[in-house]
Amino acid sequence: GAVVSQHPSWVICKSGTSVKIECRSLDFQATTMFWYRQFPKQSLMLMATSNEGSKATYEQGVEKDKFLINHASLTLSTLTVTSAHPEDSSFYICSASDGPSNQPQHFGDGTRLSIL
Amino acid sequence: AQTVTQSQPEMSVQEAETVTLSCTYDTSESNYYLFWYKQPPSRQMILVIRQEAYKQQNATENRFSVNFQKAAKSFSLKISDSQLGDTAMYFCAFTEYSGGGADGLTFGKGTHLIIQP
Repeated sequence: GAVVSQHPSWVICKSGTSVKIECRSLDFQATTMFWYRQFPKQSLMLMATSNEGSKATYEQGVEKDKFLINHASLTLSTLTVTSAHPEDSSFYICSASDGPSNQPQHFGDGTRLSIL
Repeated sequence: AQTVTQSQPEMSVQEAETVTLSCTYDTSESNYYLFWYKQPPSRQMILVIRQEAYKQQNATENRFSVNFQKAAKSFSLKISDSQLGDTAMYFCAFTEYSGGGADGLTFGKGTHLIIQP
């Protein structure tokens, strides 16, 4: 149980385009979803926290207009990288939780984003 | 703000040996949770073990155990009888207890563990 599906797993696109990444909880209701960013050989950095039906809470230094997050249902959150540029190239990972902080977050398999 | 420090960028041991990965953290909170996650080359994040700060007993999951020293703010991971499949990046992670829903994780920089045959 507790499967999180992230799509697409790899996307390559031209500079200036917008890219949408989906994160779905397949067998549970995710009251909270998180988006992380991981640069090569580095750690995961929390970008934002989203609760179903509410506006996302962004971490300091993360541009909310660049990284649009929508959590419209208990099973789906989306991250849209708007007007993407090469510096936005990274590995993006979502996680989902159906309980309080002592419960482990369930991670998606990540999306490798490459902007040419 | 919380910080998590992993001082060992890379470690290498022989198969079947025991290895300990270190992790220290800094927080002003009294109630929080600590985790170790494994990230193999596939980059999938896999939960290895977790510890609630209010529990004095160290968590154990089969070959994996932790040494949680709350006063020292230390949370090391011991892997016994290491196996080739244990080769991966290991991240120590922290989250505070906010009394409501889940909070985001703060990760250390990771330790690349290599198990040699």
